[in-house]
Amino acid sequence: DAGVTQSPTHLIKTRGQQVTLRCSPISGHKSVSWYQQVLGQGPQFIFQYYEKEERGRGNFPDRFSARQFPNYSSELNVNALLLGDSALYLCASSLVGGGNTEAFFGQGTRLTVV
Amino acid sequence: GENVEQHPSTLSVQEGDSAVIKCTYSDSASNYFPWYKQELGKRPQLIIDIRSNVGEKKDQRIAVTLNKTAKHFSLHITETQPEDSAVYFCASGFGNEKLTFGTGTRLTIIP
Repeated sequence: DAGVTQSPTHLIKTRGQQVTLRCSPISGHKSVSWYQQVLGQGPQFIFQYYEKEERGRGNFPDRFSARQFPNYSSELNVNALLLGDSALYLCASSLVGGGNTEAFFGQGTRLTVV
Repeated sequence: GENVEQHPSTLSVQEGDSAVIKCTYSDSASNYFPWYKQELGKRPQLIIDIRSNVGEKKDQRIAVTLNKTAKHFSLHITETQPEDSAVYFCASGFGNEKLTFGTGTRLTIIP
């Protein structure tokens, strides 16, 4: 069984550009969450989607948006990139949202904004 | 919103000794407390978790304790080994939704 897969693994963008990050959850998992991990810090919650609906949003500006597709994969979009958006973006999937089930993380997408 | 504090930020332990990492949380509605291990350049991996209806949980050399009244939870690693060297994160949340992570503890096991 494949784990959570994210693409691309690395990305370099220029300030002001837009970026789309992709996540495929573990087969059968219907909940996907996105986290931002700045170097030297813990992951920070951005979004959670369950059954294609947004279940939660962290303290991030409107430049950040996400969606979940019928096959439960997800995309995270960031517009008008800032240098401070440079981070490791992690996707986590779980069987259900809000249940007492483990969240499995993907390997992340390392975004560098120059 | 939820706030999670984690101490210490760095910890060096002689191989074979025990390591303890402590976290406090602020939201009394939180009921799920996982611990993640993250090696350099890799994804966070769950090593143990505890739910609010349990005070202690053990898995081989790893144990977690939870004090709901004080809003404290701790990770205990016994008989530490070099492969335990990593950054450890505590987290809290309601179920697995919107996990709030601590700032991490860099654990170094000295051979």
